[in-house]
Formats: sequence, structure tokens, C-alpha cells
Amino acid sequence: EVQLVESGGGLVQPGGSLRLSCAASGFTFSSYDMHWVRQAIGKGLEWVSAIGTADDTYYPGSVKGRFTISRENAKNSLYLQMNNLRAGDTAVYYCVRAGDDWNFDYWGQGTLVTVSS
Amino acid sequence: SYVLTQPPSLSVAPGKTARITCGGNNIGGKSVHWYQQKPGQAPVLVIYHDSDRPSGIPERFSGSNSGNTATLTISRVEAGDEADYYCQVWDSSSDYVVFGGGTKLTVL
Repeated sequence: EVQLVESGGGLVQPGGSLRLSCAASGFTFSSYDMHWVRQAIGKGLEWVSAIGTADDTYYPGSVKGRFTISRENAKNSLYLQMNNLRAGDTAVYYCVRAGDDWNFDYWGQGTLVTVSS
Repeated sequence: SYVLTQPPSLSVAPGKTARITCGGNNIGGKSVHWYQQKPGQAPVLVIYHDSDRPSGIPERFSGSNSGNTATLTISRVEAGDEADYYCQVWDSSSDYVVFGGGTKLTVL
């Protein structure tokens, strides 16, 4: 059974940093592209970052230069380092497995990040 | 950047057919995926590659994509289908993932 379990969320002050982790199991982690998707409370889905099997990375303009996605295949783990956080980054962050054409076939339950003073 | 447009809401009576649209410039040339999200839960993939259904998704869910509009069709709507639905594509020209704004489906 595929499982994705996020951790590391919490309350952080504006300008602060946070590192999210995602523990993957039930599939060959190294063979899949992985993504982070976020959702502000009551709002829609927003793509945050992606990492390919060759460690190639992708970001939208809203987080480029502030967020860094990485993976550690030996530990079946995905990470998101978030720096210079803003109130607008407050959201539930989902770890997601990607299939062909980057459809998202498995999602974690999410971890809440709150940026507030 | 590429934009996907969905109607914010749609209401349908039980047993009827719901059609949720997703508009985008020449979206017919892209592969569209659809997600269902119920309150307090993570999204679930219900249609991928325009019209394929993951295992476990009822045949009542189907998809199509042509021109500037992709459509998620839910036949014989049930109370349990009440949820938010999102379309999504990968814009290969920019390597961006794009989501539609979501459609809240209400079953009357």
C-alpha cells in the first residue's frame, strides 16, 4: 500500500524557516517524480515544487529562490526547505507522487504551516 | 502563464448528470487530470490523461477534452459525490503544474 506521511509543519514567524519532510512507503520511491502541493484554508490547490528522478527541480515563481525541494532515496524521503516565509505561505502542504504527465496519483494527508507573528 | 478556468459552483439533483468544465487555451492539446476533494480530506485522482479512470473510481466518472474545454462528467449523481473538483495540467512549455480554481459540486 502506497503511503505518504508529511511532518514538520507548525507555527513560524514571518521571515523564518521551516523544513517539511515526507516519508514514503509501499513503492519504489527512486522511480517516481515527487511534488509538493499546498492549499490555504478555504482556497484552491497550488503547486509548490517538483523533483524528478534525476534530482532535477522545478518551482513556480511564487516560491522560487525561497523554497528548495530535495529527496533522499536511501531513506525514501522527500523534503521541502522553506526560507523567508510570508503570511501568504500559510497553508496545508501535501506530499504527492506523480505519474505520467505529472498526474498526482497518491497524496499524503498534509501538514499545516502557519506563518504569523 | 497558463490559466485554467472552472465555474465556482454547480448544483445537480440526485440521479442526474453533472458536467464540470475546465477551460484553457488549446487545452485539447494537453493531458488533463481531475481530482475530487471532500472536506477535511486530501484530494483524490478521479480521471487522468483526459479520460482514464484509476482503479476504484466508479464508471459513473468520465472525462473528455477537446479544443479549449475539458469536461468531467458524473452520471447518476449521488449524495456522496458532493465535493470540490479540480482540473490540472502540466504546461510542458514552462514546466509548470497548473490547477483550475475548483468547482464546488452540491447535490440538491
